[in-house]
Amino acid sequence: DAKTTQPPSMDCAEGRAANLPCNHSTISGNEYVYWYRQIHSQGPQYIIHGLKNNETNEMASLIITEDRKSSTLILPHATLRDTAVYYCIVRVYRDDKIIFGKGTRLHILP
Amino acid sequence: GAGVSQTPSNKVTEKGKYVELRCDPISGHTALYWYRQSLGQGPEFLIYFQGTGAADDSGLPNDRFFAVRPEGSVSTLKIQRTERGDSAVYLCASSAGGFTDTQYFGPGTRLTVL
Repeated sequence: DAKTTQPPSMDCAEGRAANLPCNHSTISGNEYVYWYRQIHSQGPQYIIHGLKNNETNEMASLIITEDRKSSTLILPHATLRDTAVYYCIVRVYRDDKIIFGKGTRLHILP
Repeated sequence: GAGVSQTPSNKVTEKGKYVELRCDPISGHTALYWYRQSLGQGPEFLIYFQGTGAADDSGLPNDRFFAVRPEGSVSTLKIQRTERGDSAVYLCASSAGGFTDTQYFGPGTRLTVL
């Protein structure tokens, strides 16, 4: 079973920052937080991952709380193309499989 | 560059028939994964190959499902005696292994069993 809890859906206005929360209260010390997204009719796409420090790349930022029991994915300037299901996953680095939950369906509103 | 490709993109078959789904991973990727995604659900792990061998097949639902990767590149997922419950999108992913393990997914094969 997935070890994360995410809201089933969220709305965000185009051009604003989208903040997607994720709870992972049972995360272990050797587990990383990964985010993937899945645009309609496509395979999942890797976004970002982190262990305990905040991370940023060209797609997004990942903020992990100090106790590591929750995290937030931030899309700084959401566009209509960011409409997708976003999956928050915890896994041991280089584990052989990803256990997906149901994710958050993000709607970007024009 | 070329990503993960899967063929066919759509497959319609009748209950009881045999199907093969193909995955071409990114060139040089040693690890290959198969997932299955039912409508409204997240992808579900089926099997993982490291090179030619199946390192973890714990997600295969029963013995009707089998996968091979004979030369460590292309993989084929084989389903015997298909059932209507096998209808889903079958996703393939590959990763380079080593110190980076990002899994890159293909577009999937939509299987419909009538």
